[in-house]
Amino acid sequence: GAVVSQHPSRVICKSGTSVKIECRSLDFQATTMFWYRQFPKKSLMLMATSNEGSKATYEQGVEKDKFLINHASLTLSTLTVTSAHPEDSSFYICSARGDDRFSYNEQFFGPGTRLTVL
Amino acid sequence: KQEVTQIPAALSVPEGENLVLNCSFTDSAIYNLQWFRQDPGKGLTSLLLIQSSQREQTSGRLNASLDKSSGRSTLYIAASQPGDSATYLCAVRSSGTYKYIFGTGTRLKVLA
Repeated sequence: GAVVSQHPSRVICKSGTSVKIECRSLDFQATTMFWYRQFPKKSLMLMATSNEGSKATYEQGVEKDKFLINHASLTLSTLTVTSAHPEDSSFYICSARGDDRFSYNEQFFGPGTRLTVL
Repeated sequence: KQEVTQIPAALSVPEGENLVLNCSFTDSAIYNLQWFRQDPGKGLTSLLLIQSSQREQTSGRLNASLDKSSGRSTLYIAASQPGDSATYLCAVRSSGTYKYIFGTGTRLKVLA
């Protein structure tokens, strides 16, 4: 199977600091990764699409200067929440699009990172 | 614009009961549909993925069906157990995109 990991699983930080979340595809190469955000008792919303070696594509309403995405290698994408505030507290989940070994261009989801900003 | 709705929002059933969770979507031009389970404070576990050309998928006590023309999918859970208690999310990937649109989920509680 295909495994996607996220690190850290939980992070608590002070308001005004920046937090980096990593998303890794462990046993496959992912040219495309996706970052979702889940608000309490709400559905997951796509924030941005991350393509290896190029700039991320952000969904409408997502501040690209606030949520910096870097996809520097075929197995790693990072999401940095800059100058975090309490309203950024949320559950962040990434997914990675499988390489040619997988049928139907399947996506595999990571376990998520819970961010709490005090 | 694709919209995904799940009904009911919450459900409590006694152990052993068979149950059906519903998911509806507004645009029938889908690539696939996926059902996930999410435990409180945890990430997503993929349960079943149905491609647009398929009518159903089965895994153990779970069966998911897809009716594209009516914009509906159901997740059938047979002989429910307390360990099935979780939130079940339906997600639709439309044709021509890699993006998944998620429903708001059904929070299931199976009572022992």
